[in-house]
Amino acid sequence: AQSVTQPDIHITVSEGASLELRCNYSYGATPYLFWYVQSPGQGLQLLLKYFSGDTLVQGIKGFEAEFKRSQSSFNLRKPSVHWSDAAEYFCAVELARGSTLGRLYFGRGTQLTVWP
Amino acid sequence: DGGITQSPKYLFRKEGQNVTLSCEQNLNHDAMYWYRQDPGQGLRLIYYSQIVNDFQKGDIAEGYSVSREKKESFPLTVTSAQKNPTAFYLCASIHPGGYGYTFGSGTRLTVV
Repeated sequence: AQSVTQPDIHITVSEGASLELRCNYSYGATPYLFWYVQSPGQGLQLLLKYFSGDTLVQGIKGFEAEFKRSQSSFNLRKPSVHWSDAAEYFCAVELARGSTLGRLYFGRGTQLTVWP
Repeated sequence: DGGITQSPKYLFRKEGQNVTLSCEQNLNHDAMYWYRQDPGQGLRLIYYSQIVNDFQKGDIAEGYSVSREKKESFPLTVTSAQKNPTAFYLCASIHPGGYGYTFGSGTRLTVV
């Protein structure tokens, strides 16, 4: 079955430490790939997206993500986490063709806690 | 500024009552979506509309209804048939082709 997997439900890091959030997808062709962030009680904000080309994409708030076709992964990274990064993070894919063009499929999210 | 407006932010429903959640966008997007969010379950698609006067069921449409009479508006009605409506509801719109969703700020619905 087609799916988006975020294997880590909850991650805790210390402020200033590096961060990597994992995302894997199982679709036949390379989809469009996204990372969103959600603060409590708010909507989701787009962090970054991958269409094609350079496999390392830069986003807002100092985040970056690397697409690895061989691993069907799109992991999110940040070299130094700030306390304000504490939030829930969602990986999402959009199939690049077909009747569902435009629909995003989401992972279940990873909750990030940052220790001072 | 362009965006999506959801209202109200908080909504309380009595047993057996229908309630309607508003979603308005001024982004000129054709496609709009409604998601339900429960803790630990991510986002589940309720309904979506790719064009005015047309909409499709998502993965959890039972107990919900929508309309799309205008490009800008995509209201969601939670009917009395929805047995567990307490959740956070998110509306989104998209320009298809890899641009991603723009989300509203959500409506938290609670049954009292």
